Amino acid sequence: DSGVTQTPKHLITATGQRVTLRCSPRSGDLSVYWYQQSLDQGLQFLIQYYNGEERAKGNILERFSAQQFPDLHSELNLSSLELGDSALYFCASSVATGDYEQYFGPGTRLTVT
Amino acid sequence: LAKTTQPISMDSYEGQEVNITCSHNNIATNDYITWYQQFPSQGPRFIIQGYKTKVTNEVASLFIPADRKSSTLSLPRVSLSDTAVYYCLVGDGGGSYIPTFGRGTSLIVHP
Repeated sequence: DSGVTQTPKHLITATGQRVTLRCSPRSGDLSVYWYQQSLDQGLQFLIQYYNGEERAKGNILERFSAQQFPDLHSELNLSSLELGDSALYFCASSVATGDYEQYFGPGTRLTVT
Repeated sequence: LAKTTQPISMDSYEGQEVNITCSHNNIATNDYITWYQQFPSQGPRFIIQGYKTKVTNEVASLFIPADRKSSTLSLPRVSLSDTAVYYCLVGDGGGSYIPTFGRGTSLIVHP
């Protein structure tokens, strides 16, 4: 158990819909990272927040957005969902910003039908 | 330009030592080398991180030569439960923090 929690574990929704994925970092960690993993693209970095501020952006689509709240939990919002958005979404946390020693949550499996 | 290159797959047998090498010819002075392990449908797990020479923990060892253009993750006496994908990353977490996991190395341990 990494100490990072993600909800929900599974999510099934239809194309065009909007969903919110939630992540709680390990106690004491200030950075949160979001990743998408699909069979054809591998593990892709989406976005990073540190103590409430966006710090780095990867391959995140404009239809996706995220934020980190004062209690340090983070949410990833996915809108206008497409079939190709079906994937595992992981959240990770670390103590410092841009730290490569990260602790990953169990993931949310999103299925868009 | 890929930051790291790893073998796509490797096979081994229980009880053997496994060495997975990662090439990172363009590693920068401030970059660290980090390895992760991932089981199917689970989040990656941090294994080890190093900058130069050798680092060892309870799980693995990481060997880094003087030129730092490659690194080798060594798993002693593997078991079936070590069957997983192993990723090598390089970076310093500085201004251009875009961690690239690549496809990793799929290690299969046979009985």
